[in-house]
Amino acid sequence: DTAVSQTPKYLVTQMGNDKSIKCEQNLGHDTMYWYKQDSKKFLKIMFSYNNKELIINETVPNRFSPKSPDKAHLNLHINSLELGDSAVYFCASSQVRGIGNEQFFGPGTRLTVL
Amino acid sequence: AQSVSQHNHHVILSEAASLELGCNYSYGGTVNLFWYVQYPGQHLQLLLKYFSGDPLVKGIKGFEAEFIKSKFSFNLRKPSVQWSDTAEYFCAVGTGLYGSSNTGKLIFGQGTTLQVKP
Repeated sequence: DTAVSQTPKYLVTQMGNDKSIKCEQNLGHDTMYWYKQDSKKFLKIMFSYNNKELIINETVPNRFSPKSPDKAHLNLHINSLELGDSAVYFCASSQVRGIGNEQFFGPGTRLTVL
Repeated sequence: AQSVSQHNHHVILSEAASLELGCNYSYGGTVNLFWYVQYPGQHLQLLLKYFSGDPLVKGIKGFEAEFIKSKFSFNLRKPSVQWSDTAEYFCAVGTGLYGSSNTGKLIFGQGTTLQVKP
């Protein structure tokens, strides 16, 4: 059973398009995260939701909009895609909001903007 | 600003060699520390974590790490690496205290690519 799943795994699109990435966790966790991993493998947090409430919103362009319909899902919608958005996007979840809790990661979505 | 620094970007070892990957962080308060591993084509998995207590923590697959508070370090070690340890290794720090103000945010280092030659 996949704990944290993401779709799609690969996404190739043109500049200016709008796309969404979906994430689901079946671990019963309260908190979910989106991370961006750039071409140098650097991982940076973008957003975090706890029980559908936004709790982390890093300095991410407002073209990126997370949506959490319930605590098991956290989707990422990106408007007007740019070349610099090309990266691997990882979803993660943890038991409760807190630093002591392990984050479980999804398989990643490799986004390529042409 | 809080940051995590991994000194070795690319490490190449032969099988059975010993491994030590450096990790330093900049934050003066309470921290929780993690090492994650990303095998080729796979997602990040937790190797080990430190919350409190014994500063020497043991993880999966024979890995261990030592938290040295005075040096702001959390180095990862393995006495004898195997070819299957070839992967990307990430150090991460969670800062702050438990409570409603905590966001669960992790700050990651830039990663170390470990290549083990058979």
